Amino acid sequence: GIQVEQSPPDLILQEGANSTLRCNFSDSVNNLQWFHQNPWGQLINLFYIPSGTKQNGRLSATTVATERYSLLYISSSQTTDSGVYFCAVDGGSSNTGKLIFGQGTTLQVKP
Amino acid sequence: NAGVTQTPKFQVLKTGQSMTLQCAQDMNHEYMSWYRQDPGMGLRLIHYSVGAGITDQGEVPNGYNVSRSTTEDFPLRLLSAAPSQTSVYFCASSYCWDKCEQYFGPGTRLTVT
Repeated sequence: GIQVEQSPPDLILQEGANSTLRCNFSDSVNNLQWFHQNPWGQLINLFYIPSGTKQNGRLSATTVATERYSLLYISSSQTTDSGVYFCAVDGGSSNTGKLIFGQGTTLQVKP
Repeated sequence: NAGVTQTPKFQVLKTGQSMTLQCAQDMNHEYMSWYRQDPGMGLRLIHYSVGAGITDQGEVPNGYNVSRSTTEDFPLRLLSAAPSQTSVYFCASSYCWDKCEQYFGPGTRLTVT
């Protein structure tokens, strides 16, 4: 099946710093999403981005489908950005609602 | 909309007991899924459904049953709980048309002793 690898596994930032999280996947995908899991365990949908670039405030994401990777950019980080960031893909022939998750990047933003 | 709701929030079972984790969504989403999350790991798909009456297995289906009699509900049954099923369980739903965003419930933390 499709493999999803995220890097780095852990990241510690000072408040105000910028960061880039990477997601590599082993096969073509028709669905790629980025999620943030906050310290209380809730999974929040950040981006649906099987290809192209999107921005939402201080966060943006780019997926280069032909090269099988996606990047999540966090600018001017805040302590509330702390948590785990997951990349998840659906590698089926069509969208089926079943996602394969990477292992996540744990981000800690220090004040 | 309440979104995706899960009950209970916490549960402790003894080995061999059975129970049902409840999941409901009020967004009329066609797709629903169950995942488990173990410490330091990403989520792994247990079972999923593409519509009422249709279910299929994910990566880790052993020890779990599902059914989908209505669009709204997707219960997960543990037939005979084992300590290896200690985990946090997440239910999710999505509507796949022009895009396919998945929305998660708050999770159920299950401990099997």
